[in-house]
Amino acid sequence: EIVLTQSPATLSLSPGERGTLSCGASQSVTSNYLAWYQQKPGLAPRLLIYDTSNRATGIPDRFSGSGSGTDFTLTISRLEPEDFAVYYCQQYGTSPYTFGQGTKLEIK
Amino acid sequence: QVQLVESGGGVVQPGRSLRLSCAASGFTFSSYAMHWVRQAPGKGLEWVAVTSSDGNDRYYADSVKGRFTISRDNTKNTMSLQMNSLGAEDTAVYYCARGKGRVTAPQAYWGQGTLVIVSS
Repeated sequence: EIVLTQSPATLSLSPGERGTLSCGASQSVTSNYLAWYQQKPGLAPRLLIYDTSNRATGIPDRFSGSGSGTDFTLTISRLEPEDFAVYYCQQYGTSPYTFGQGTKLEIK
Repeated sequence: QVQLVESGGGVVQPGRSLRLSCAASGFTFSSYAMHWVRQAPGKGLEWVAVTSSDGNDRYYADSVKGRFTISRDNTKNTMSLQMNSLGAEDTAVYYCARGKGRVTAPQAYWGQGTLVIVSS
């Protein structure tokens, strides 16, 4: 199975700053089928980005995704207070579809 | 609007079985692949299984293959997860999630989850 490794495990930033989260795959992700999710405590995950760089419905344009092959990035251009949460990447190109272990974005 | 409601969770003894259900509404159920994703307490997300829109294709995580079976009834807009030989490692919140027409798609809509606790 494809193992996804997210870094850093925890990212401490202030509102207004730029956040950059990374996701590395143990092998190339088929068709760059890579998604990013946001999860807040006690809630279900929310899809942010799919197919590496496409924003899901209703997602603000401060969220952007990039990358290809084995290296992917989620960028949040200017952090808003509601953006502090846990973020997961997922590859869905090759079964079993796997998630990264998550990056916790916390307020500095 | 899309609604996914899971049910069937609870406390079950190790080695026993449990069946989860997901009731879908607000969209054409038979047009979408459906997934189960779980999250152990305090841990990250783990994808469990997917069924294609017609139910003919099913894929599983290695950790549940041979023990869990995903199925769907497009006449009743429901999906199920039959879980056998449960162990403590299966303790988690189980989420039902909607994909897209193809199985190789992300999970765009999620239910609220149902908690399964495997304990004697």
